[in-house]
Amino acid sequence: EPEVTQTPSHQVTQMGQEVILRCVPISNHLYFYWYRQILGQKVEFLVSFYNNEISEKSEIFDDQFSVERPDGSNFTLKIRSTKLEDSAMYFCASSEPGLAGGSTRAYNEQFFGPGTRLTVL
Amino acid sequence: GNSVTQMEGPVTLSEEAFLTINCTYTATGYPSLFWYVQYPGEGLQLLLKATKADDKGSNKGFEATYRKETTSFHLEKGSVQVSDSAVYFCALSVSTGANSKLTFGKGITLSVRP
Repeated sequence: EPEVTQTPSHQVTQMGQEVILRCVPISNHLYFYWYRQILGQKVEFLVSFYNNEISEKSEIFDDQFSVERPDGSNFTLKIRSTKLEDSAMYFCASSEPGLAGGSTRAYNEQFFGPGTRLTVL
Repeated sequence: GNSVTQMEGPVTLSEEAFLTINCTYTATGYPSLFWYVQYPGEGLQLLLKATKADDKGSNKGFEATYRKETTSFHLEKGSVQVSDSAVYFCALSVSTGANSKLTFGKGITLSVRP
């Protein structure tokens, strides 16, 4: 069964360093997402990505964050200069293309990866 | 804005016990509602969903009914198994298209004892 994969499973970095979190979405999916969960808090939406551009982003997704689909298979989240408060579990997700005609109530299931735990020291 | 509130956890039950996990929401617009489950070492998986009021989502013995009047989507199972031990997330999506962000609750850890 196809699945979303994420690497690494755990990343430890020093404050101020750049990190790149990697995701391989399901191969025929076209919509991609990043979410994060700070320990003990809610899973929060960061960004959605379609057709090589950002579709939507949250207030959390500031200039320190960027996303890229560099080679048609990987989907990456980069944090340019990590802060202590960036420590969290980061989840990647992907979903199939929308339904033809764009039903306003349709929902295409988002398939999630196992997450990368980022620890900023 | 949109938000989801789940009951505080963790929850520990004996096998075959009845399970209820509460979830309430606030939303601008007409949300679709979901329960996601995360088994140890795995990603979040969609457990069930409901897209309109009074719809009942069901899967693997779990059920949840979309209650618009109480803005709730409580998860229930009549007889839990050890294999149900996982983290459960309630979520909503308000969308004008077929792909949009999910708004999650904090999640609750369920442990089922043999």
